[in-house]
Amino acid sequence: DLQESGPRLVRPSETLSLTCSVSGGSTRSDIHYWTWIRRPPGKGLEWIGYVYYSTTANYNPSLKSRTSISIDLSKGQFSLRLTSVTTADTASYFCARQTTRGGLYFDSWGQGIQVTVST
Amino acid sequence: HSILTQPPSVSGAPGQRVTISCTQSDSSTGATYNVHWYQLIPGTAPKLLIYDNSNRPSGVPDRFSGSRSGASASLAITGLQYEDEADYFCQSSDTSLSGWVSVFGTGTKVTVL
Repeated sequence: DLQESGPRLVRPSETLSLTCSVSGGSTRSDIHYWTWIRRPPGKGLEWIGYVYYSTTANYNPSLKSRTSISIDLSKGQFSLRLTSVTTADTASYFCARQTTRGGLYFDSWGQGIQVTVST
Repeated sequence: HSILTQPPSVSGAPGQRVTISCTQSDSSTGATYNVHWYQLIPGTAPKLLIYDNSNRPSGVPDRFSGSRSGASASLAITGLQYEDEADYFCQSSDTSLSGWVSVFGTGTKVTVL
């Protein structure tokens, strides 16, 4: 299971920080990408990026300059940092596990956390 | 990167069959990759319905099926039920200089009349 946590309200220009706790499996897995995805209100899903085995990260080019995803293998958690947020970053944020066996699909998701960027 | 286009909405009466299309275009390499489907219901974790074009994970009802032909994929729901009212997204992959990227379709809202 995956569970997101973090502040639900962030001020514009500040940094959004979220953590995903992984249970029932290991973040040390070498066959999974640990991923963040978001859904702005009334819009579709947007892939943010992933971290893999603490050595590799890859990000959506449209967010790359503001995004960092890291992993704490000892705690079984991975985290998202999104800097200089604006109201356009208001969204439900999901963490997910993507398997690298087969066609790179997301086989486990968190319930999501609603984050609002506002003064 | 790739663009995955879905119809904004589909609807049907209970028991009917509905299909959702997912058409891929503008791949960075011209290649097409496997398509996967997800169901989103507010307040619940998104659910994987179909992976690798047509495979169903254990626990997913067999009224959900997927198919793929060239750059187009489809999700079919037969015997539509009220609990199927949700948003559905297809997803595929593309390559970049820094590795794999994931791309989601534009999303389809299914309404059960």
